[in-house]
Amino acid sequence: DAGVTQSPTHLIKTRGQHVTLRCSPISGHKSVSWYQQVLGQGPQFIFQYYEKEERGRGNFPDRFSARQFPNYSSELNVNALLLGDSALYLCASSLGSTGTYNSPLHFGNGTRLTVT
Amino acid sequence: QKEVEQDPGPLSVPEGAIVSLNCTYSNSAFQYFMWYRQYSRKGPELLMYTYSSGNKEDGRFTAQVDKSSKYISLFIRDSQPSDSATYLCAMTLGSARQLTFGSGTQLTVLP
Repeated sequence: DAGVTQSPTHLIKTRGQHVTLRCSPISGHKSVSWYQQVLGQGPQFIFQYYEKEERGRGNFPDRFSARQFPNYSSELNVNALLLGDSALYLCASSLGSTGTYNSPLHFGNGTRLTVT
Repeated sequence: QKEVEQDPGPLSVPEGAIVSLNCTYSNSAFQYFMWYRQYSRKGPELLMYTYSSGNKEDGRFTAQVDKSSKYISLFIRDSQPSDSATYLCAMTLGSARQLTFGSGTQLTVLP
């Protein structure tokens, strides 16, 4: 079975530009979450979508937005990129809407974004 | 103060050693506790998931939760070079949907 797939794997952008990251969840999973992992730190929660609705939002500025499509895939958009946005962006999917025992999060390998 | 504190290491042990990894947390409302393993250039992989205080064993791995002390541990017995990775603790509230992670401990098991 295919796991969570993310594209692209690497991306280099310039300050002020816009970026779109994409995620395909595990087949049958209806929830997608996005996390930002800065080098040397643990992942930080950005968004969670379940059945195409936003169910949670972390402490990130409005430059960050996301959406989930009818096929449960998802996009993360970041506007007006800053140097500090350089990080590994992780997508995770789960069957249900909560990260519970019966519905653990499965992570993709991430998109490494470098802002210069 | 961070909600979840984890010693970043790096930790280096010989093959076959017992490894102890720890996290402390400040929010007593956390109910679910997880350990993830992250290899270089990969996403985190779920290793252990616990709910209540006490021990949970899975093969060479044992997860321990002490809610009264707000302290969780992961023990790895008979460590192998393939265990070399960054280990992340994570936890979540009962009703919340997001995980709060520690900063990770980098482990190297020397052959």
